[in-house]
Parts: sequence; structure tokens; C-alpha cells
Amino acid sequence: QVQLQESGPGLVKPSETLSLTCSVTGGSSSDYYWSWIRQPPGKGLEWIGCIYYSGTTNYNASLRSRVTISEDKSKNQLSLTLRSVTAADTAVYYCARPSLRFFYGMDVWGQGTTVTVSS
Amino acid sequence: EIVLTQSPGTLSLSPGERATLSCRASQSVSISYLSWYQQKPGQAPRLLIYGASARATGIPDRFSGSGSETDFTLTINRLEPEDFAVYYCQHYGRSSWTFGQGTKVEIK
Repeated sequence: QVQLQESGPGLVKPSETLSLTCSVTGGSSSDYYWSWIRQPPGKGLEWIGCIYYSGTTNYNASLRSRVTISEDKSKNQLSLTLRSVTAADTAVYYCARPSLRFFYGMDVWGQGTTVTVSS
Repeated sequence: EIVLTQSPGTLSLSPGERATLSCRASQSVSISYLSWYQQKPGQAPRLLIYGASARATGIPDRFSGSGSETDFTLTINRLEPEDFAVYYCQHYGRSSWTFGQGTKVEIK
């Protein structure tokens, strides 16, 4: 059974770069789409972007200029990089797996990692 | 870009009652790609419904989804204590995903 685990620094300074990793266990990261989603404190879910097994990526238009999603197939890991962060980027960040079986509904989620942007 | 608007923002109900949650799309969408999620405090979202009306693995049959084009509904029959949570609708299209802002179902 596929499991996802996010990791990264809990605190990032304004204007710096946020880097997170999502480790995929129990399956291959090469088989599916993979997505990053975030949730600011007390607010709703925001889709950040995705990467397909072919390496193709797509991003939320509001974040496209600052975000990069990549995959390290040798480590079965996904990465999220968000540049020039501000306090508005403070959120719980999730990686999730959209599944063709569920018509691209996201059936597997990591537990999330909290990132605070503060000096 | 499709915008999903959920209503009401908060639904106050008692255990045993029926909850009806609405998700309206800014333009007609394929029912195949409309999903619903449940999120409890401190937890990741859980997929409940996909394809507008199909229950995901292990989801009790008191949860049901319906709708088409721009109007979709999540119904929870006979609310159980564990059903009090926030619910999100989501749409997939052209390699991107959009979430509604959520409906909180709280105990009255």
C-alpha cells in the first residue's frame, strides 16, 4: 500500500526558498501523477501543482512563477521548491496521489508538514 | 479557470440528521472529474466520492454524491458523530485541480 511522507524545514525566512520532499513508499513514484497541495492556517485547500510520471509538470497559475516540482526516481521522492516566500506561504503542505482509478481524485495523502515563514 | 463555490459555509446539525452540501461550478464540468473530500482537524483530507457519485474505498453508504454540469451535491444520511468535519469538493481538468472553499458540518 502506497504511503507518502513529507519532510522539510518547519521555518523559512521571508524572501528565501522553501524546499520540501515527499517520500513514496510501498509503490513507485514513476507510476502516477503526483500533486502538492497546501492549506494556510484555518483556511481551505489550494492545489500547488503536479508532476506526471513522464516528468511533465503543471502548476497553479497563481504560483507558477515561483514553484518547481521535480522527481527523483532513484530515491522514489518528489520535491517542491517555492522561491521568494512570504508570510502568505505559511501553510501545511501535503503531497497526494491523484489516481486514474478514481478519475483523478486523490486517494493517498501524506500527513502534511507545517511550514512557517517568519524572520 | 473553473471556480467551485460551496454552500453553506457552515451547517449546524444534530447526529442522526441529514446533511446536504452544495458545490457549484462556474462553468459546466465533466461529472467524471468531480470529487468530494472529508477533512478532520489535524488530519489530511480523505477521498469520499469520485466521479460525482461513486464512493471511494471503504466509504460508508450513508455518503452519497449527485449532480451534473454546474451543480453537485454531497448528502450524508443519518449523521454519525465522526461525520462532523469540513468537506471539500474538487474538480480535475487539463492536468490541474481546483478545490471549493469548504463546508463545515458542526454539531448543533
